[in-house]
Parts: sequence; C-alpha cells; structure tokens
Amino acid sequence: ETGVTQSPTHLIKTRGQQVTLRCSSQSGHNTVSWYQQALGQGPQFIFQYYREEENGRGNFPPRFSGLQFPNYSSELNVNALELDDSALYLCASSQRQGGNTIYFGEGSWLTVV
Amino acid sequence: GIQVEQSPPDLILQEGANSTLRCNFSDSVNNLQWFHQNPWGQLINLFYIPSGTKQNGRLSATTVATERYSLLYISSSQTTDSGVYFCAGSLQGAQKLVFGQGTRLTINP
Repeated sequence: ETGVTQSPTHLIKTRGQQVTLRCSSQSGHNTVSWYQQALGQGPQFIFQYYREEENGRGNFPPRFSGLQFPNYSSELNVNALELDDSALYLCASSQRQGGNTIYFGEGSWLTVV
Repeated sequence: GIQVEQSPPDLILQEGANSTLRCNFSDSVNNLQWFHQNPWGQLINLFYIPSGTKQNGRLSATTVATERYSLLYISSSQTTDSGVYFCAGSLQGAQKLVFGQGTRLTINP
C-alpha cells in the first residue's frame, strides 16, 4: 500500500478518442509524475507536476497533457488516441522534486482498439 | 540522456536460492532507486540508495556511485519474490527517473 491511488484501473478506448486518467497522491506529497509503460519495457517519463505547474516533460507529443489540483491530485489527458498508446500508465508521487523516494500507484491499463 | 543497463534480463531460480541483480549507469545519477513490479503491475519501492548499502530483511542493495553501478541482493528466495525488478535514477537537477529494462525473476517452488 503506497497511498497513491489511480483510476480507472482498466479501460478500453477506440482510436481517435480521448481519455482522462486520475491520480491521488500520497498525503503530504506535492510532486506528481506520470509514466507510460509499454509491454515488456521499463516505464518512460511523460511529465511531472509540482505545485500545479508542469515541471519537466519527456519525449511525448502535446496530445499528452496534464493537470495538478490544489490538493495535489492529478490528471493525465491523452487526445486523439493511437494504437501505440496502449500501455500501463503509472502515477508516482514524492515529497519534493527529486532527491526523494518515489511511490507509485497501481496503474491504469489502457487498451486502444 | 543517461542509459541504464540491467543484468541479467531473466533469472530463474529455485526457492531458497540467492541472487544478485546488477544495474549500470552511463553517467552519474541521483535518486537511484530499486523497484519490484508484481504481476498486476504495481511498482513497489524497495530502496532509495544513491550511495552505500542498505538492508531490509532478505533484501539488500549496494550502490557504488563513483563506478556508476548498483547491486540488489535477494537471499533465501521465495516464490513471492517473482516479478520484474527495475532500477532507476535521474541526472542531477532533472525531474525524470530513467528506468532500465528490468530483470525478470522467476522463483520456482
């Protein structure tokens, strides 16, 4: 139990649709990061939010966007879904930027058909 | 960006055996961490170990930062230790953790 919760746990979308994934960070953590994990690969960094501002982004197109709310929970939005977006999406929270233990949620399994 | 290499990619052992997993980094990293991913996808943080040695029960980890590698030791393996083990780190000042490809550990009864 990491204290990081994600929803939904599984979902199936059609190519071209949009999806929103949600994450509640561990109590006291003000930094949330999102990762995409394709089958058989390690997680890849999408972006990080610190105090409601995007603070670092990986090699993902602009159709991947996010939000962080005043309570530090976060959303990941993906527009114009493509088949290659099928993956496990992981949310992670930490107490501050860098230099600290990071805790992951159970992930959201997205299948795009 | 940094490259993270993990070895071996796969490891199959009998219950009770010991194992050593290795992680090499192409550059000096901060925030070096080891994770265990269970079959349901959950990533559990095992160690935050930018340098030195830590132990937690049957697991221990050692990071030699000057030589850019880290080792994870698992003693007296149990079937519940099965899963994929990842190491990850970040460059100083960078926000993202860079993960290796993982070591898939299978412990047979």
